[in-house]
Amino acid sequence: GAGVSQSPSNKVTEKGKDVELRCDPISGHTALYWYRQRLGQGLEFLIYFQGNSAPDKSGLPSDRFSAERTGESVSTLTIQRTQQEDSAVYLCASSPTSGGSFGYFGPGTRLLVL
Amino acid sequence: QKEVEQNSGPLSVPEGAIASLNCTYSDRGSQSFFWYRQYSGKSPELIMSIYSNGDKEDGRFTAQLNKASQYVSLLIRDSQPSDSATYLCAVPQNTPLVFGKGTRLSVIA
Repeated sequence: GAGVSQSPSNKVTEKGKDVELRCDPISGHTALYWYRQRLGQGLEFLIYFQGNSAPDKSGLPSDRFSAERTGESVSTLTIQRTQQEDSAVYLCASSPTSGGSFGYFGPGTRLLVL
Repeated sequence: QKEVEQNSGPLSVPEGAIASLNCTYSDRGSQSFFWYRQYSGKSPELIMSIYSNGDKEDGRFTAQLNKASQYVSLLIRDSQPSDSATYLCAVPQNTPLVFGKGTRLSVIA
């Protein structure tokens, strides 16, 4: 595909369940970012991957959140023991260069924790 | 804490007017600046980037940068109702982009 894709587009889960969100970046993009956007709020940085370097996890809000990326391909964001405050849109972006340059966003995954 | 600040709005302008959106940032070392547009229920879309002091024009959009004042702005000329959206200012802080909370623009027909 031409752009960043994310799946699922919507996810409804019960409190305490684990969820896994997927991001397929644009082919050849070395950098990949995850952000969270709560309703009516700004973008909150979660984690950043650059090639095979150690990821920048400084934005992860708790140890219930983790993310993986293999090389320069797909990334998964996992939220364990979901809480209602985890409800948000989770956005993935990829970038063709390192150094925090601009990013192309995917359509997001809308997560609702009941 | 390195920050990017924007007025949340809403900023209402009549159709055909100039909309002026402002952003300040705290990191004096920042070298690149981006404006994103986000329609309701959609993901952000990059519309402008600027790296040097001064103005950069692209169609109806002009980005203005003043590094001494740590200030970046976006002007939208001949505003259209389709410009109604939230505009996010973004600044790289080390590696990840740090976004302002955005300014909601409403263009009234």
